[in-house]
Amino acid sequence: GAGVSQSPSNKVTEKGKDVELRCDPISGHTALYWYRQRLGQGLEFLIYFQGNSAPDKSGLPSDRFSAERTGESVSTLTIQRTQQEDSAVYLCASSLRRQGYEQYFGPGTRLTVT
Amino acid sequence: AQSVTQPDIHITVSEGASLELRCNYSYGATPYLFWYVQSPGQGLQLLLKYFSGDTLVQGIKGFEAEFKRSQSSFNLRKPSVHWSDAAEYFCAVVEAGGTSYGKLTFGQGTILTVHP
Repeated sequence: GAGVSQSPSNKVTEKGKDVELRCDPISGHTALYWYRQRLGQGLEFLIYFQGNSAPDKSGLPSDRFSAERTGESVSTLTIQRTQQEDSAVYLCASSLRRQGYEQYFGPGTRLTVT
Repeated sequence: AQSVTQPDIHITVSEGASLELRCNYSYGATPYLFWYVQSPGQGLQLLLKYFSGDTLVQGIKGFEAEFKRSQSSFNLRKPSVHWSDAAEYFCAVVEAGGTSYGKLTFGQGTILTVHP
């Protein structure tokens, strides 16, 4: 079956513009995670969705970041008024089990803010 | 707060040599431990995981890891490295149960270079 897919694979944007990143989880996976990976660093948790429950947004770095997910389907991560420090690879992961111990990652979206 | 430390930023080994990548964690609760590998331009692939039981766990691609609670370590090993193992390796921890929802805490990563 298909794995986690993300689009676009690469995005270059000008400082101050808004961007939208998309994640298609593995079909049937109830949990979905967004992580950010800045150059030379490990992954930072951003947000978690589980079914129709309220998302855990505790990792979002500022109010310029938001994410949506409808049910157990596609998720979009939106960054408003992008800044150069937002440049990173944004990774999405999904998990079959509620507590997400085995997460399957997508290839990521590389965002460059110029 | 929990943290994961991978002391080695970059390791270089010769093909056929043995490998050990270090991982130490700081965690108050019972941790679940993972090793992921990331090849250039790729997402993360799960190599192995430890939840409970036998402290020596086997993973894919010939990798194994040993959980040592007394040392708060979960080091990754491979007896004979292949050129295709060149990649970046991440150790990750999640709190077992609780409200962590499987929110992984990652180490900084170790880049492995393999010389022919």
